[in-house]
Amino acid sequence: GENVEQHPSTLSVQEGDSAVIKCTYSDSASNYFPWYKQELGKRPQLIIDIRSNVGEKKDQRIAVTLNKTAKHFSLHITETQPEDSAVYFCAGGGNQFYFGTGTSLTVIP
Amino acid sequence: GAGVSQSPSNKVTEKGKDVELRCDPISGHTALYWYRQRLGQGLEFLIYFQGNSAPDKSGLPSDRFSAERTGESVSTLTIQRTQQEDSAVYLCASSLASGRNEQYFGPGTRLTVT
Repeated sequence: GENVEQHPSTLSVQEGDSAVIKCTYSDSASNYFPWYKQELGKRPQLIIDIRSNVGEKKDQRIAVTLNKTAKHFSLHITETQPEDSAVYFCAGGGNQFYFGTGTSLTVIP
Repeated sequence: GAGVSQSPSNKVTEKGKDVELRCDPISGHTALYWYRQRLGQGLEFLIYFQGNSAPDKSGLPSDRFSAERTGESVSTLTIQRTQQEDSAVYLCASSLASGRNEQYFGPGTRLTVT
């Protein structure tokens, strides 16, 4: 099965700085890579996703890049704001998804 | 429209008892997933249903865990002879179809085994 690894486990940045979270996956058949944001005590919500036929996708302050050869993908958040503070999960797979262990992001005002 | 709902929201049970957790997916979503999330941990895949196909049970941690789904609607996750290590939040998610589609998560059931 798929194995998704995520780094770092915790990340603190100053408001306005950028944050980068990286994930690697093992199964070359994986073709869909979503990112979820989970605020404390709440359910995970999709913030951006990328499919294997695309190398980069951007949505306002959030971007995701995918390197299929190296089997890694990254989440980039620019101009971070305190409300970006949450746990972020990457996932990879095809029919079912395997999640990374999460990154706790703290944006310091 | 209505999102994914789960019940109960909280369940406290004694070790050794059986529990049933319920998930109501979004209407029209053919794919349904169950995950387990221990405190401060990631999401652990448990089981996946797609339409009338045989479910993918590869994530179930032991034979004490089972799940059923009625057609393309309600699903129940059953844990028999609960153990303290079963304590976690159990999340259900549904999507329009399998793979490459956004999963919408329910609010979860927080299970505490005493």
